[in-house]
Amino acid sequence: VTLLEQNPRWRLVPRGQAVNLRCILKNSQYPWMSWYQQDLQKQLQWLFTLRSPGDKEVKSLPGADYLATRVTDTELRLQVANMSQGRTLYCTCSGTGGGNERLFFGHGTKLSVL
Amino acid sequence: QQKVQQSPESLSVPEGGMASLNCTSSDRNFQYFWWYRQHSGEGPKALMSIFSDGDKKEGRFTAHLNKASLHVSLHIRDSQPSDSALYFCAASGSGYNKLTFGKGTVLLVSP
Repeated sequence: VTLLEQNPRWRLVPRGQAVNLRCILKNSQYPWMSWYQQDLQKQLQWLFTLRSPGDKEVKSLPGADYLATRVTDTELRLQVANMSQGRTLYCTCSGTGGGNERLFFGHGTKLSVL
Repeated sequence: QQKVQQSPESLSVPEGGMASLNCTSSDRNFQYFWWYRQHSGEGPKALMSIFSDGDKKEGRFTAHLNKASLHVSLHIRDSQPSDSALYFCAASGSGYNKLTFGKGTVLLVSP
């Protein structure tokens, strides 16, 4: 059973252009949603955790700037801007947000720079 | 400094053999340790967790934790070609859903 739907699955992003990603939660029993990035060397890194509709956060990392928004109880969005290196963005969910609970990952959105 | 370090970077074992993966943390705030597995083209999936000192066995997989040394290991017995994947050690302390991952170990099980 798929808990998370991420789209698009792959995007070619012209240098300097922003891209908007979307993640839909399919099971409301796992309301804690987060974004993780995986770089070209396969390193995974936590970006954001957004629990409630209306939550917004921004972050700048080497190679990209991020703006994350929890739109509704079931939708999480991520805007990626100023990307200079490709990466894959994963949406995750869990039931309580605690470190003692497993995270479920989506299939990911792979971004490549044109 | 990488807070979660994994070794080896890659490992090759024959089918039916034992694979041993290692992980060391440098942050004593970490309380929960996980192993995640990622097959090519897919998102990572949680394999097993370990929170207390000692061994935890789940089928062919055994995890070991030594909190004093912050060392975690994963042992896979009777390795199968389907076990070939990228294995991540991950640790969590405070912070909702915030896992810190190691760089991963590539496991190749050859038939």
